[in-house]
Amino acid sequence: NAGVTQTPKFRILKIGQSMTLQCTQDMNHNYMYWYRQDPGMGLKLIYYSVGAGITDKGEVPNGYNVSRSTTEDFPLRLELAAPSQTSVYFCASSATTGLGGYTFGSGTRLTVV
Amino acid sequence: GQQVMQIPQYQHVQEGEDFTTYCNSSTTLSNIQWYKQRPGGHPVFLIQLVKSGEVKKQKRLTFQFGEAKKNSSLHITATQTTDVGTYFCAGSIYSGGSNYKLTFGKGTLLTVNP
Repeated sequence: NAGVTQTPKFRILKIGQSMTLQCTQDMNHNYMYWYRQDPGMGLKLIYYSVGAGITDKGEVPNGYNVSRSTTEDFPLRLELAAPSQTSVYFCASSATTGLGGYTFGSGTRLTVV
Repeated sequence: GQQVMQIPQYQHVQEGEDFTTYCNSSTTLSNIQWYKQRPGGHPVFLIQLVKSGEVKKQKRLTFQFGEAKKNSSLHITATQTTDVGTYFCAGSIYSGGSNYKLTFGKGTLLTVNP
């Protein structure tokens, strides 16, 4: 099993550009999450999904959108990129929510210039 | 909203010294989880504690969950250079249905001088 796979690993965007961060998991987990990590600030939840077709906002959803058309995939869309979105983005999945550990992807390091 | 506070933010030790990081929640937790993130890496799940007063060990790592289920600690005995990284606690509270909300602390960055 590959676990949680994120692409790309690195990306530089210009202000105003858009992009999609891809995330796929092969563990048949219902629950998937997107976090951003800024230095010294821990992990902040952007969006999460409890199953295909169901998504909900987390702590910092502004400027992002998600979709969950399949159990495996949970892409994160950035529209009109801003410097404040420079961060490391982690996708994670879990068999249950809040019970048992989350499996994280290796992350996408995004810089907006 | 729920807050999970973690201290210290940074800790530098000499190899062989012990290390402890503490986690406190403003609300009673259903469980607490601990993760380790190596520099440049991603968080990796270490352990989950569920019961009041629970203590679990993984080799040189000892995890405790407080009696009131509001605090937790991770203690590393005789640190090694391989212990370098950021240790996060994450507190889980029940949020309805079959769902729980997991809130991460800001983490403690451990550096070890060989």
